[in-house]
Amino acid sequence: RKEVEQDPGPFNVPEGATVAFNCTYSNSASQSFFWYRQDCRKEPKLLMSVYSSGNEDGRFTAQLNRASQYISLLIRDSKLSDSATYLCVVTHYTGGFKTIFGAGTRLFVKA
Amino acid sequence: DVKVTQSSRYLVKRTGEKVFLECVQDMDHENMFWYRQDPGLGLRLIYFSYDVKMKEKGDIPEGYSVSREKKERFSLILESASTNQTSMYLCASSQTGVGTDTQYFGPGTRLTVL
Repeated sequence: RKEVEQDPGPFNVPEGATVAFNCTYSNSASQSFFWYRQDCRKEPKLLMSVYSSGNEDGRFTAQLNRASQYISLLIRDSKLSDSATYLCVVTHYTGGFKTIFGAGTRLFVKA
Repeated sequence: DVKVTQSSRYLVKRTGEKVFLECVQDMDHENMFWYRQDPGLGLRLIYFSYDVKMKEKGDIPEGYSVSREKKERFSLILESASTNQTSMYLCASSQTGVGTDTQYFGPGTRLTVL
């Protein structure tokens, strides 16, 4: 089983749609959680950190469920410019720190 | 703004050549990382360093070595390049600590080994 698992997609949605991505992680000692965005042939860039209380940044909402060990990202009112790959990232600090990147979920937003 | 730069965007080398990829960060981060990214395989950690002259193997260190002589600079070395090392190489840096350990990436080096 992979340490961080994501649905690879692709998700094909029309503009204006709401889309949700889930990510599960296996290490219960994980402490830092992030969503990154990666455009085609570009480097990953931080989209948002994920906190236990959940956090929102404009049209993007991230949630963390420690009991079930999953992280979610909700995108409301999708724009064409949201088309990208979304990477779930988890860090744990047991015996030294380790950051694990999920393989990513592809999103295509169509006009 | 954190800036991570990589020495080349595109590189073409021949099998058996020694290849140096250099990464520089300007935010005084303790940690630096080298990844490779291949279609369908996601990001795979090659090596990382949490301090000057310190290095730790990642998930796929075979065929690679690294050097960190200065805090801001982390080099990846392919001693004898092979065609299966054709890939996108990404460098990243971060601080240590929950809440501050976001990784910032350089633009990547697309290496082709012929």
